[in-house]
Amino acid sequence: DIQMTQSPSSLSASVGDRVTITCRASQTISRHLNWYQQKPGKAPKLLISAASSLQSGVPSRFSGSGSGTDFTLTISSLQPEDFATYFCHQTYTTPFTFGPGTKVVI
Amino acid sequence: EVQLVESGGGLVQPGGSLRLSCAASGFTFSSYAMSWVRQAPGKGLELVSVISGSDSTTYYADSVKGRFTISRDNSKNTLYVQMRSLRAEDTAVYYCAKALTFDFTMVVLALDSWGQGTLVTVSS
Repeated sequence: DIQMTQSPSSLSASVGDRVTITCRASQTISRHLNWYQQKPGKAPKLLISAASSLQSGVPSRFSGSGSGTDFTLTISSLQPEDFATYFCHQTYTTPFTFGPGTKVVI
Repeated sequence: EVQLVESGGGLVQPGGSLRLSCAASGFTFSSYAMSWVRQAPGKGLELVSVISGSDSTTYYADSVKGRFTISRDNSKNTLYVQMRSLRAEDTAVYYCAKALTFDFTMVVLALDSWGQGTLVTVSS
């Protein structure tokens, strides 16, 4: 099975900060990597698909990059509504595994 | 507007069964793969099962294989999961989610719309 790791597991940031979250796969997953945002008590929301494709309606301050085994999610200027947990998800091969999440807190 | 509304959750004893439903609206249901994703209390996400738009292809996580059955009724715009032999570790919020694509093999499976979730508690 492909193991997904994320770093950091949590980070403390301020409004306006540039934030980078890393996701690493235990073997190559090409660009079959999605990023989700989840706020407490809410369903996840798709931000980025196929490593770098920004979903419709998602602010342009979010961006994704990477291929193979190493991926990043960047928030260029953190906004109050961005405090949440972020999950990466590989769908290259079964089992389709999520990363453990990165919690972004104030 | 895409809407996904789950129902059927609740308290069930270990070894019991439950069927979850997800009523879909706002899109052409038969044109998209659909999935169930669960989240145990305070834990991460697990993709439990996926079904293609034509229901010809399915996927199950190893943790539920042989116990859960995903299905869809494209005439009723409804997704189901039949859960049997339930265990305490199946306790979770179960989300119904729509994929970006008709199929989920050989493409990036991305889930672009989610329901609000339904809680399944397995306990005696």
